[in-house]
Amino acid sequence: DTAVSQTPKYLVTQMGNDKSIKCEQNLGHDTMYWYKQDSKKFLKIMFSYNNKELIINETVPNRFSPKSPDKAHLNLHINSLELGDSAVYFCASSPRRGGTDTQYFGPGTRLTVL
Amino acid sequence: SQQGEEDPQALSIQEGENATMNCSYKTSINNLQWYRQNSGRGLVHLILIRSNEREKHSGRLRVTLDTSKKSSSLLITASRAADTASYFCATAISGGSYIPTFGRGTSLIVHP
Repeated sequence: DTAVSQTPKYLVTQMGNDKSIKCEQNLGHDTMYWYKQDSKKFLKIMFSYNNKELIINETVPNRFSPKSPDKAHLNLHINSLELGDSAVYFCASSPRRGGTDTQYFGPGTRLTVL
Repeated sequence: SQQGEEDPQALSIQEGENATMNCSYKTSINNLQWYRQNSGRGLVHLILIRSNEREKHSGRLRVTLDTSKKSSSLLITASRAADTASYFCATAISGGSYIPTFGRGTSLIVHP
């Protein structure tokens, strides 16, 4: 009964490739997020969607394109991968948008760009 | 957007000791949350404290909030080896759109 799931868990790919990471939540939440955690563990928000609508886009290169086909899914597509994209990417969800809600995180996808 | 900064960056203690970690932030907040991250896993919510609260308890966890100093602390009492993890604070800004901001976390190692 995984609440927030991501696939794949590990992704190793060459520079210049295009890849996608998928996220699904079965909690019935309205809001979903993508975070990037670098090698120093700094966790930075990238995007947030509320009911399939983009509400946060934090100065992320346009090589990164989120897509939310429905409120239970938020996928992340990355074009022309670069070495600096290597990180762990976390998906999260919360019941509503706004700062009073707990966020539920997925297990992460470790992306390594060679 | 403001950022929570955890201190210390790393903490190493023996089982049974207490562990205290701090979080400082820059502007007024609605609430502050603490999360735990075990190695190779996602973050797990521990506790939320609102701006009008000064202290909150949950099991062996005690969180304090000092809005005049713009800081919060997380105390883990009688630590266990299973408490080994990284601990993050996240802040929600007053009156603004919610952009969750996390710091780099405090890496806690509890030796058995």
